[in-house]
Amino acid sequence: GAVVSQHPSRVICKSGTSVKIECRSLDFQATTMFWYRQFPKQSLMLMATSNEGSKATYEQGVEKDKFLINHASLTLSTLTVTSAHPEDSSFYICSARDPSGGPLEQYFGPGTRLTVT
Amino acid sequence: AQKITQTQPGMFVQEKEAVTLDCTYDTSDQSYGLFWYKQPSSGEMIFLIYQGSYDEQNATEGRYSLNFQKARKSANLVISASQLGDSAMYFCAMREGGTGGFKTIFGAGTRLFVKA
Repeated sequence: GAVVSQHPSRVICKSGTSVKIECRSLDFQATTMFWYRQFPKQSLMLMATSNEGSKATYEQGVEKDKFLINHASLTLSTLTVTSAHPEDSSFYICSARDPSGGPLEQYFGPGTRLTVT
Repeated sequence: AQKITQTQPGMFVQEKEAVTLDCTYDTSDQSYGLFWYKQPSSGEMIFLIYQGSYDEQNATEGRYSLNFQKARKSANLVISASQLGDSAMYFCAMREGGTGGFKTIFGAGTRLFVKA
């Protein structure tokens, strides 16, 4: 099946700094990518949807100035957490859509665990 | 309002027995997809099974089957012959179109514990 990678898998940063998480589709062109966050023992919450070459669509309650999403190419989307605070510590999962993949066309990355100290 | 409801935060099952994980959903779309994912402690999301809203037969994938009852808007996952490695978090998810475009949303999850 299609593979989606995320980098880094774990990151620790200090409060007030920014951190960038990369999401890559390795063997297909992803017209749409999604970013989710997951708090411990909770569900995945959709943060935003990004389409290549256009601005991301953020879900209600997600601060677009804090969580910057760039989908500059068909294989790469980045999530930048700006001025991170401890409450931003979470598991961030990206997902990429392969429009040629039929019903099972959404593939998930392995996740990035962010810890803000 | 919750679109995907999983009412069982935790479930226990004896090894080799079958277990049903409940999921109900709410949508006004005619075309939608229902998914089950397994999330072990490593965090990766493992796709298990898919049911399209127009599929008349219940989906099956090995030991997994989806009990799709469209009128009741339920999509329960049945795991037969449970194995110790099935212990994990299980999420029901729905993909729908809508004016906002294609998106997949998740239920709260059910943690399954398989006992030896």
